[in-house]
Amino acid sequence: AQSVTQLDSQVPVFEEAPVELRCNYSSSVSVYLFWYVQYPNQGLQLLLKYLSGSTLVKGINGFEAEFNKSQTSFHLRKPSVHISDTAEYFCAVNSQGGSEKLVFGKGTKLTVNP
Amino acid sequence: GAVVSQHPSWVICKSGTSVKIECRSLDFQATTMFWYRQFPKQSLMLMATSNEGSKATYEQGVEKDKFLINHASLTLSTLTVTSAHPEDSSFYICSAPRGGVGGNEQFFGPGTRLTVL
Repeated sequence: AQSVTQLDSQVPVFEEAPVELRCNYSSSVSVYLFWYVQYPNQGLQLLLKYLSGSTLVKGINGFEAEFNKSQTSFHLRKPSVHISDTAEYFCAVNSQGGSEKLVFGKGTKLTVNP
Repeated sequence: GAVVSQHPSWVICKSGTSVKIECRSLDFQATTMFWYRQFPKQSLMLMATSNEGSKATYEQGVEKDKFLINHASLTLSTLTVTSAHPEDSSFYICSAPRGGVGGNEQFFGPGTRLTVL
């Protein structure tokens, strides 16, 4: 079984500041890792994913994440945020070669202030 | 990218009535779809896995007689909330995986907001 921990439930930042949203996971097997963004009253949109290969993954909207196997982490970063990045961000995992079910973290609310 | 739609986007109903929510994969076929429930300011909770042509697989603690799932075709899954009560009010989201190199990617519907009065 897998589990995902998002350490920060809320992250307030000022516009144009850098941000890091933390995600740690636990799994007895190899996993695929995902970050999704959810805007109010909408479904989830994939930001980026790690399947294999380079541990630094670049996604949409200027976001990137780095897979660290030894620390079982997949932190999301953006060097300069915009007001429009205000949203809920979810980290998720599923097992390689296993079920397609995603296990989600509890989410991090990113609020970008002017 | 692939598109998954949900209908309706929101619904208000009286307590005791049943509500059907549709999830469609518009440009790909999905033998499996997932139904999630999301309470305000919380994460997504997987309710069940919808399997085309066979019974749905429910997660522990989810009442299968309360939340009826039918996966009638490769592009349509429906979730029926039977005898709805105010505690069933929630945001329901479906997803469908589509195969890609190295692993399937999940595509999510826009969600359905259910309010039971």
